[in-house]
Amino acid sequence: DSGVTQTPKHLITATGQRVTLRCSPRSGDLSVYWYQQSLDQGLQFLIQYYNGEERAKGNILERFSAQQFPDLHSELNLSSLELGDSALYFCASSAYSGRSDRGTDTQYFGPGTRLTVL
Amino acid sequence: AQRVTQPEKLLSVFKGAPVELKCNYSYSGSPELFWYVQYSRQRLQLLLRHISRESIKGFTADLNKGETSFHLKKPFAQEEDSAMYYCALHGSSNTGKLIFGQGTTLQVKP
Repeated sequence: DSGVTQTPKHLITATGQRVTLRCSPRSGDLSVYWYQQSLDQGLQFLIQYYNGEERAKGNILERFSAQQFPDLHSELNLSSLELGDSALYFCASSAYSGRSDRGTDTQYFGPGTRLTVL
Repeated sequence: AQRVTQPEKLLSVFKGAPVELKCNYSYSGSPELFWYVQYSRQRLQLLLRHISRESIKGFTADLNKGETSFHLKKPFAQEEDSAMYYCALHGSSNTGKLIFGQGTTLQVKP
């Protein structure tokens, strides 16, 4: 078990609604990453937070937002949901912000939250 | 642009046969390459990374900068190797952002 937890496991909601996905990183990890896995797009990087601050942004829609709290857990907020937002959302954590002399930190993934928009 | 290409969606082999999962990347700088594996109903986990040059579960991968490839190989496939394999690229020096390929499902038949 990598120690990264995500809640809820499954989420079923309707178009136009708003949901919040939660991620708790491994103990001691300062970075949290969000990825979206869908059948047509594969595994895509959404956003990274490091010690409470946004560090990198990927293909994240304006309807989506995230934050990392002082206790280092993170939430991904998805609003005005569309059918195409149905996907598996993964959270990952790592010790530091990215690459160092030791190479890039290993990212440890959570089990994911499966979002179904009807 | 940073891109990772895994040309095969599905690779099906018999137990004991050699396996090669292909991965090509596009990146102008000095990349770090990774292979992640996702077994059925389990989370994504790191299999190996090119800088460590380790062999994990019998798998190896060599970074070929000339061909911009990072193919994953195993000489004798086992049934327990059946899983989804993702090749990933880390390019940015200031973030941990990973660019993933589309993934290849490896099916090892008895």
